[in-house]
Amino acid sequence: GAVVSQHPSWVICKSGTSVKIECRSLDFQATTMFWYRQFPKQSLMLMATSNEGSKATYEQGVEKDKFLINHASLTLSTLTVTSAHPEDSSFYICSARGTGPGAQHFGDGTRLSIL
Amino acid sequence: AQTVTQSQPEMSVQEAETVTLSCTYDTSESDYYLFWYKQPPSRQMILVIRQEAYKQQNATENRFSVNFQKAAKSFSLKISDSQLGDAAMYFCAYNSRGQGNLIFGKGTKLSVKP
Repeated sequence: GAVVSQHPSWVICKSGTSVKIECRSLDFQATTMFWYRQFPKQSLMLMATSNEGSKATYEQGVEKDKFLINHASLTLSTLTVTSAHPEDSSFYICSARGTGPGAQHFGDGTRLSIL
Repeated sequence: AQTVTQSQPEMSVQEAETVTLSCTYDTSESDYYLFWYKQPPSRQMILVIRQEAYKQQNATENRFSVNFQKAAKSFSLKISDSQLGDAAMYFCAYNSRGQGNLIFGKGTKLSVKP
């Protein structure tokens, strides 16, 4: 149980395009999901907290117009990187808060490469 | 604000031996969770072990155990009988009860020598 599915796993696109990443909780409802970014050989940094039915909360320094987050249902949150540029290339990973104490379940991540 | 510090960027262990990864944290809270996550080259985040701060007993999961010292704000991970498959990045993480996001340390890269 407690599976989080993230798609796509790898995407390559041209500079200037927008890319949407989906994060789904498959067998549980997730009112809160989290989006992290991880640069090579570095740790995970929280980008934003996604709350179902309300606006996302962004961490300081994260451009909300650049990284659009939508959490329209209890099982789906999406991250859209708008007008992507090479510096947006990174590994993006989502997680969903589960029902157990402190439980958090991760997707497998998305490797984004902007050419 | 809470912080998590992993002072060992890299560690190495011989197969079948025991290794301990260090983690310290800073918080003014009394109720929280601590975690160790494993991230292999596939970059999946795999939960290794979880500790609830109000529990004095150290958590164990098969070959993995922790030494939780609440007063010292220390949370080390011991891996016994190390296996080649244990080679990965290991992240220590803090979670404040009432909030959801994890605060991660910088990670320790563990190598296992055959």
